Amino acid sequence: NAGVTQTPKFQVLKTGQSMTLQCAQDMNHEYMSWYRQDPGMGLRLIHYSVGAGITDQGEVPNGYNVSRSTTEDFPLRLLSAAPSQTSVYFCASSYESFNTGELFFGEGSRLTVL
Amino acid sequence: KNQVEQSPQSLIILEGKNCTLQCNYTVSPFSNLRWYKQDTGRGPVSLTIMTFSENTKSNGRYTATLDADTKQSSLHITASQLSDSASYICVVRAKRSNFGNEKLTFGTGTRLTIIP
Repeated sequence: NAGVTQTPKFQVLKTGQSMTLQCAQDMNHEYMSWYRQDPGMGLRLIHYSVGAGITDQGEVPNGYNVSRSTTEDFPLRLLSAAPSQTSVYFCASSYESFNTGELFFGEGSRLTVL
Repeated sequence: KNQVEQSPQSLIILEGKNCTLQCNYTVSPFSNLRWYKQDTGRGPVSLTIMTFSENTKSNGRYTATLDADTKQSSLHITASQLSDSASYICVVRAKRSNFGNEKLTFGTGTRLTIIP
């Protein structure tokens, strides 16, 4: 079982560059989300989607874009990378978002912006 | 403001010993609380979920408790093993309002290290 797959695992960018973090899940989950994890802070929600074609902002959306054209894929785009976006990014999916939904996380993507 | 506080921040214990991790929250209205285990360099994995009506739940050597009145939860690990070395994250879900967004509040985690 692949579960939630994130690519790349590691990436180094220069300030101002753009890139896309890929996320794919094979569990037919409607709900997908992106989080960033920084030292000393809890996971923070960037964007989420409750189904194909539907996305919404989370707690820290600035500097990031998302789209959801299929149930399986939920890419996260950094438009113009800044050092403050240096972090570990996790994609997560769930059967249900508003009840008891367990989040299934990917392995993470470690991004460094110089 | 909804908050989740975990203690201690870090803990080192000998293999075979027991330990208890704490989670205090101010999330309201409360829906459920999950404990996740995050191995170094990996994504978090759910260990257990606690709902309002549950006081204790076990998953192997892991036992979670919930006191909804005092808004506290604990995760007790019995007979620790080297593989228990990880961060343990407490996540509290608030009940969704009619027009509200998804509401999860994450704790910062407890870093547990088991030494042989």
